[in-house]
Amino acid sequence: EAGVAQSPRYKIIEKRQSVAFWCNPISGHATLYWYQQILGQGPKLLIQFQNNGVVDDSQLPKDRFSAERLKGVDSTLKIQPAKLEDSAVYLCASSSGYTMTLTDTQYFGPGTRLTVL
Amino acid sequence: TQLLEQSPQFLSIQEGENLTVYCNSSSVFSSLQWYRQEPGEGPVLLVTVVTGGEVKKLKRLTFQFGDARKDSSLHITAAQPGDTGLYLCAGVNFNKFYFGSGTKLNVKP
Repeated sequence: EAGVAQSPRYKIIEKRQSVAFWCNPISGHATLYWYQQILGQGPKLLIQFQNNGVVDDSQLPKDRFSAERLKGVDSTLKIQPAKLEDSAVYLCASSSGYTMTLTDTQYFGPGTRLTVL
Repeated sequence: TQLLEQSPQFLSIQEGENLTVYCNSSSVFSSLQWYRQEPGEGPVLLVTVVTGGEVKKLKRLTFQFGDARKDSSLHITAAQPGDTGLYLCAGVNFNKFYFGSGTKLNVKP
């Protein structure tokens, strides 16, 4: 079974530029998560999708971040415009369950490392 | 402020030593998970503990969930270089998922 795929693996941009990340979850997984992991910290949940609907985006900085999951499969996360403090690893995860419970395992992709100069 | 605080933040030990990592919160969690993350990879689930006072063992790793379900610990016996990585606890509180601050472990051969 293929794991969660993410691209690109690395991205370097100037501040105020735009950037987009792509995630393809494990086939059949209903729930998709985007996390931001700043160096030296644990991941922070940005947004959670259940199929193509948003379940939780309370920690997503909506003035500059947006995400979509058209057709309930793959997803894109966009930052526009980027700031220096957006430098982090952006992790995508998926799970087969429909609710946020710890009986359902999240499978993580390798992440995209973003550097904003 | 992190909902889940981990200690220590960094740990560097020699192969063969024992160690304990702690995950603490002022909030009650219905269950907690432990993950290990290696450089350039996403976190990988190690264990889920669901009952207060529960102890789970995974080879040389022992996980304990506090009686009050506010804290957890991870004990590694006879650490090996392959145990090197970032250890993260995680839990659901009011239907939101939170990771701890992480403990970076380095086991020297």
